[in-house]
Amino acid sequence: LAKTTQPISMDSYEGQEVNITCSHNNIATNDYITWYQQFPSQGPRFIIQGYKTKVTNEVASLFIPADRKSSTLSLPRVSLSDTAVYYCLVRGASGRRALTFGSGTRLQVQP
Amino acid sequence: DGGITQSPKYLFRKEGQNVTLSCEQNLNHDAMYWYRQDPGQGLRLIYYSQIVNDFQKGDIAEGYSVSREKKESFPLTVTSAQKNPTAFYLCASRDPGQDEQYFGPGTRLTVT
Repeated sequence: LAKTTQPISMDSYEGQEVNITCSHNNIATNDYITWYQQFPSQGPRFIIQGYKTKVTNEVASLFIPADRKSSTLSLPRVSLSDTAVYYCLVRGASGRRALTFGSGTRLQVQP
Repeated sequence: DGGITQSPKYLFRKEGQNVTLSCEQNLNHDAMYWYRQDPGQGLRLIYYSQIVNDFQKGDIAEGYSVSREKKESFPLTVTSAQKNPTAFYLCASRDPGQDEQYFGPGTRLTVT
């Protein structure tokens, strides 16, 4: 399984754009990059998934460079409710499909 | 209203007792998972099941047991053999045609 590395914590202010970068140097050809969000005492929630280039949905954008050794989750104009832990995961296309979570990035949004 | 339910939200037990955590889903998903989360840590896989009457050990299965007699139910038993059972337990399910896992609200187990 590809190991991921992301910052332990980040701080931001309401209305700012937040970019969280994840490193996954040994990503395999068939691996996808997935991000989950978790609020305290709740289960994680899927945010976005991508394979290469850029993916955008109503919540976030995911930027993946050509070498796919890193990815950046971009949250536009964060609010206080975006305060959460964000997990970057690399998932293979087959097998048990269970997720391997690291410690994530704890994002604190200030007013 | 489809989703995953876990009960109870908080559970307290004495050391040496077995305890069973409930996980039910009405999403018609074949695959179900149990994870454990310790404070400040990510999730670790305990057991998973890809189909009824079949399940496999995850990364930290020792001291736990599961059953999958019905598609919608995947209960987890924390046995007295689990050395450090106090944790936040999360159940998830997945549609085989999709990648996204849907998580329940979790059960916080405290063993004293």
